[in-house]
Amino acid sequence: QQQVKQSPQSLIVQKGGISIINCAYENTAFDYFPWYQQFPGKGPALLIAIRPDVSEKKEGRFTISFNKSAKQFSLHIMDSQPGDSATYFCAATPNFGNEKLTFGTGTRLTIIP
Amino acid sequence: EAGVAQSPRYKIIEKRQSVAFWCNPISGHATLYWYQQILGQGPKLLIQFQNNGVVDDSQLPKDRFSAERLKGVDSTLKIQPAKLEDSAVYLCASSRILAVRTDTQYFGPGTRLTVL
Repeated sequence: QQQVKQSPQSLIVQKGGISIINCAYENTAFDYFPWYQQFPGKGPALLIAIRPDVSEKKEGRFTISFNKSAKQFSLHIMDSQPGDSATYFCAATPNFGNEKLTFGTGTRLTIIP
Repeated sequence: EAGVAQSPRYKIIEKRQSVAFWCNPISGHATLYWYQQILGQGPKLLIQFQNNGVVDDSQLPKDRFSAERLKGVDSTLKIQPAKLEDSAVYLCASSRILAVRTDTQYFGPGTRLTVL
């Protein structure tokens, strides 16, 4: 019940295209859903996050779509650029306790020219 | 603002040896986290400190792993003895307060451990 399932494992998108990464969860206590971006040799960095009281959050070319009833959320990267090539992790944290982050398994995104 | 510092960046040891990792969080950050990131997986929280007290160590294999945060600043994570399955990247993160939903966790570059 604590898992966050992420797909696909890897994704190749042409420059200028839309990259879409999906996550699903079971624990209804999760109420904060951040996405992290990780470049090789670096630690993850917070990219964008959403709370379940909204269905969409947009920051520049990055958008999170959230479907509370389906317990699913996704990251859309519009106009994907080679600099977006990285590994992306979705995560979730509950609304109680020490707010421990549970991470998905990651998606390796490659943007090709 | 300097980021989270970790050392060493890489470590190769043989099984049953011991190893220690060091983390220096961002100045003023009260909360410090150690994560284990196995290849192909997301980070898994090992231990979480608030100042120099342990908040959560439920996923720390206490028979071989130990961690301390003296004076509420730097922290060390130790493995003794190491097993093959401990091969992973060990990430340290810090945040100003214990509130993921309102405060960002900043991650260091990690220490890549290879156990032969």
